Amino acid sequence: DAKTTQPNSMESNEEEPVHLPCNHSTISGTDYIHWYRQLPSQGPEYVIHGLTSNVNNRMASLAIAEDRKSSTLILHRATLRDAAVYYCILRGMYSGGGADGLTFGKGTHLIIQP
Amino acid sequence: KAGVTQTPRYLIKTRGQQVTLSCSPISGHRSVSWYQQTPGQGLQFLFEYFSETQRNKGNFPGRFSGRQFSNSRSEMNVSTLELGDSALYLCASSLAGTGSDEQYFGPGTRLTVT
Repeated sequence: DAKTTQPNSMESNEEEPVHLPCNHSTISGTDYIHWYRQLPSQGPEYVIHGLTSNVNNRMASLAIAEDRKSSTLILHRATLRDAAVYYCILRGMYSGGGADGLTFGKGTHLIIQP
Repeated sequence: KAGVTQTPRYLIKTRGQQVTLSCSPISGHRSVSWYQQTPGQGLQFLFEYFSETQRNKGNFPGRFSGRQFSNSRSEMNVSTLELGDSALYLCASSLAGTGSDEQYFGPGTRLTVT
């Protein structure tokens, strides 16, 4: 799996937007960009993923740079419940089907202030 | 739809013993992956099963093994337990385990080796 770089921690205020950056300069053309988060004492939770175009779902938005070397996870209105470790993961695909297991780095510890 | 379930949730074993953990994926999901989470090493990929075949494997010793049944349920086994095997073991399921699939994690089994 190609490597990703994320800030160790970020802090934001409740009800404000949060932009979590991720650099992945060695991304290959078939790598999907996935975001997961892990709340305290829980298993990881899928947030969003994309390949080339920006993506939106009920949880967040994913903005992907045109050269795909970086991406940003956007939480539009952070709540205390969004305090978690956020992981940006690249997932390649095998020609015969299947894909690499998720490679979790250190992630970004998001702190939300009330 | 029921989520991913793992049993047991907590387990205490003695060095040298073996242990079997169980995972039931979301209905319709054919890919099951296993991960180990420790404070020192973080989340690490163990292996992935698809249609009863191990398709992908992480960098763990042969003491760690698994299998998948025809109903997609999976078990992982750790033989000759060591103190360092104490960890949270997480199971994740996805439709087909491709790079574009999202993985859904269970709550994990907390294994303590004494």
